[in-house]
Amino acid sequence: SQTIHQWPATLVQPVGSPLSLECTVEGTSNPNLYWYRQAAGRGLQLLFYSIGIDQISSEVPQNLSASRPQDRQFILSSKKLLLSDSGFYLCAWSKTPGRVNSPLHFGNGTRLTVT
Amino acid sequence: EDKVVQSPLSLVVHEGDTVTLNCSYEVTNFRSLLWYKQEKKAPTFLFMLTSSGIEKKSGRLSSILDKKELFSILNITATQTGDSAIYLCAAWKLSGTYKYIFGTGTRLKVLA
Repeated sequence: SQTIHQWPATLVQPVGSPLSLECTVEGTSNPNLYWYRQAAGRGLQLLFYSIGIDQISSEVPQNLSASRPQDRQFILSSKKLLLSDSGFYLCAWSKTPGRVNSPLHFGNGTRLTVT
Repeated sequence: EDKVVQSPLSLVVHEGDTVTLNCSYEVTNFRSLLWYKQEKKAPTFLFMLTSSGIEKKSGRLSSILDKKELFSILNITATQTGDSAIYLCAAWKLSGTYKYIFGTGTRLKVLA
């Protein structure tokens, strides 16, 4: 069965420091991968999605970036964090859609607090 | 611009009540509508609806999609305190790639 791992679970970082959040998927190949951010108690904002290695689309202009160095690895980064980067970050995957519809499956998230 | 709107934003009910959560969407190249339940961490998948008018059921939860009027509802009957959560709906669109656009969520609190 497929599993998704996301780490760390919580992170407290000062303003201006770098960020690296990592996500890996097991049990499937060539997944679509996604990074979402969730404001406190609210809906999900799509940040990045990727349909393959080094194929990444950005949805929201910001100081965050994403990379996919391997098929099942997705990394969210920042060179300098802002206070507004605080939030709950969720990695997710789906099967490459074809004839079968595929729901989105989420990791457990990273709660980031920028101080 | 694509958008997904959920209502109400929050809801407080007592155990045993029945609730209906609403999700409307305006999404180009719409393919499916998904419902998720989020308690503490990861949203967990409930339903995916692709065809109009076909109800999907899982225990006390059920959902249906109306592709003509562009909305879906999630019903929870005989609510329990364990149903307390944020309920999210998402529209899945085809656009060369595949994107899931989420609504703002409905926060449901069930009182004992």
